[in-house]
Amino acid sequence: AQTVTQSQPEMSVQEAETVTLSCTYDTSESDYYLFWYKQPPSRQMILVIRQEAYKQQNATENRFSVNFQKAAKSFSLKISDSQLGDAAMYFCAYTTSGSRLTFGEGTQLTVNP
Amino acid sequence: EAGVAQSPRYKIIEKRQSVAFWCNPISGHATLYWYQQILGQGPKLLIQFQNNGVVDDSQLPKDRFSAERLKGVDSTLKIQPAKLEDSAVYLCASSPPGTANTGELFFGEGSRLTVL
Repeated sequence: AQTVTQSQPEMSVQEAETVTLSCTYDTSESDYYLFWYKQPPSRQMILVIRQEAYKQQNATENRFSVNFQKAAKSFSLKISDSQLGDAAMYFCAYTTSGSRLTFGEGTQLTVNP
Repeated sequence: EAGVAQSPRYKIIEKRQSVAFWCNPISGHATLYWYQQILGQGPKLLIQFQNNGVVDDSQLPKDRFSAERLKGVDSTLKIQPAKLEDSAVYLCASSPPGTANTGELFFGEGSRLTVL
């Protein structure tokens, strides 16, 4: 069974600084998808960024980028120029064809002004 | 474009009572999901529908949980009888056609259930 591990229950960052959230996963598949989802307090979860395993290039969405290390089964999220609105719970997630989306336990990010 | 709608937002019941949650997905989204998110944990899939058919309900506690999507649009999740450990946020999500296995889900705001 696939597992997703987020080893940082909580992280904090100063506004305008950069923070990296860690995620590791376990799979025997060669083709799969990885995601970071953001869940603000009392608001719906939204997709932040998506990475397809067959693509070597790391995905980037504005201030959000990933460091995808396929051999190490590592998928970290870097948030640059952190803003107060980035404060949320961040979930790493994995899926492959025919399987359900599996989430990690989440990392609570606090942004300090 | 309207998002995924869920109701009620909050519900408090006593154990052994029943409760029902409703979800209306984004128009045109064929795939609908119900997730259970216990405080401090990541969401866990309870059931996945493709139109009005069940794709995956392997993690649904069928002795007390049921879900239906009769017309392939909105869906209802029912718990009867509720247990203390059912206290959680129940998230509904949907995905556009052709993306059911690519993980790009659109979530509602969730229904928070407290069982006393």
